[in-house]
Amino acid sequence: DAMVIQNPRYQVTQFGKPVTLSCSQTLNHNVMYWYQQKSSQAPKLLFHYYDKDFNNEADTPDNFQSRRPNTSFCFLDIRSPGLGDAAMYLCATRSLQRGQETQYFGPGTRLLVL
Amino acid sequence: GEDVEQSLFLSVREGDSSVINCTYTDSSSTYLYWYKQEPGAGLQLLTYIFSNMDMKQDQRLTVLLNKKDKHLSLRIADTQTGDSAIYFCAESPNSNDYKLSFGAGTTVTVRA
Repeated sequence: DAMVIQNPRYQVTQFGKPVTLSCSQTLNHNVMYWYQQKSSQAPKLLFHYYDKDFNNEADTPDNFQSRRPNTSFCFLDIRSPGLGDAAMYLCATRSLQRGQETQYFGPGTRLLVL
Repeated sequence: GEDVEQSLFLSVREGDSSVINCTYTDSSSTYLYWYKQEPGAGLQLLTYIFSNMDMKQDQRLTVLLNKKDKHLSLRIADTQTGDSAIYFCAESPNSNDYKLSFGAGTTVTVRA
């Protein structure tokens, strides 16, 4: 059973055209993350939420925004995608329950910018 | 990635054991993880070890932690073709920011 769901799995957008990627979880975890992963690289953390508390990484471009309307859902908005934003975007969640502090990842959304 | 280092490639014959090594720098790391990523897929948590443990075994997987040397390894026994993937080492510091630091990943290729 999928626990961290990302939609769509593949997204094609045009240069400069806003795009939204979505993530949902059935785990009821407090923490949700968005990562960007480019080919042959480690995932790079963009931001994370602890409940509704938003935490932006210092080097995350302003072009990337996020929303978490409730525990289950989290969105990544790319306001004006550039060619360099083509990547795999991974959503993850984490439990804060002691002894279970592990991150669970979704399957990712691969973004292509034309 | 700078705080967690891994070798980039490993080639192993089917049926042999694979050993993937990782070093980290943060001595306050609480949890250390191994994730597997197949082509075009997300990261699958394979196993993790708490920093007060030396070893953890889970079926074909054995994790060894040398906290003094800040060295983590993952041994896969009887490596199969389905084990071909990228393996990421990650560490979580003992802090409240809930972040993971990933290594660059080791690409494991299993040959017949």
